[in-house]
Amino acid sequence: DAMVIQNPRYQVTQFGKPVTLSCSQTLNHNVMYWYQQKSSQAPKLLFHYYDKDFNNEADTPDNFQSRRPNTSFCFLDIRSPGLGDAAMYLCATSRVPAGRSYNEQFFGPGTRLTVL
Amino acid sequence: AQSVTQLGSHVSVSEGALVLLRCNYSSSVPPYLFWYVQYPNQGLQLLLKYTSAATLVKGINGFEAEFKKSETSFHLTKPSAHMSDAAEYFCAVSLGINAGGTSYGKLTFGQGTILTVHP
Repeated sequence: DAMVIQNPRYQVTQFGKPVTLSCSQTLNHNVMYWYQQKSSQAPKLLFHYYDKDFNNEADTPDNFQSRRPNTSFCFLDIRSPGLGDAAMYLCATSRVPAGRSYNEQFFGPGTRLTVL
Repeated sequence: AQSVTQLGSHVSVSEGALVLLRCNYSSSVPPYLFWYVQYPNQGLQLLLKYTSAATLVKGINGFEAEFKKSETSFHLTKPSAHMSDAAEYFCAVSLGINAGGTSYGKLTFGQGTILTVHP
């Protein structure tokens, strides 16, 4: 089945130690999104890619970076995780459809990040 | 700019009772509206969407929602709750795809409503 895969599902890191979260998709979608969801809060968009075009949200901290080496993969790098970065990180994908003005996002299962 | 308000962070119903989860939106242009469900430690699953066609939208698992422009609402309902419906529900708004721009269907979510179903 076509899907969005996130690895690992649970990640523990130490304060200040860089960490990378991975997302892959078999849907061949041209848009990939990263959301941060803190406990009991709504998901918040960090950034997204349309193909290789990177779009950063204005309030996303510089501590968060992303890479998309090809259509299938997208990575979230947290350069120096702080305690406040503990959250669920959700990857989503979407296809920009020809002749349609809206798109649907398909979410992966998420990676829960713990910062010690 | 757009925003979503979900009234009631927690809703509790008995099994077999009506489920009503409230969502109001604010948008400067005609919006696209979505309801997602999230089970513990899982991603979000799309329940249904409003895309400016029919105002009454039917989704999966017996859920439906009605778009009311005059009330800026998109409330989610289900006639009869099942134990498996217990989850967190998010309403989201999108301004759609901004051709030539950088807004590729960005979603803005409400704060979520946790639905509890009692036997």
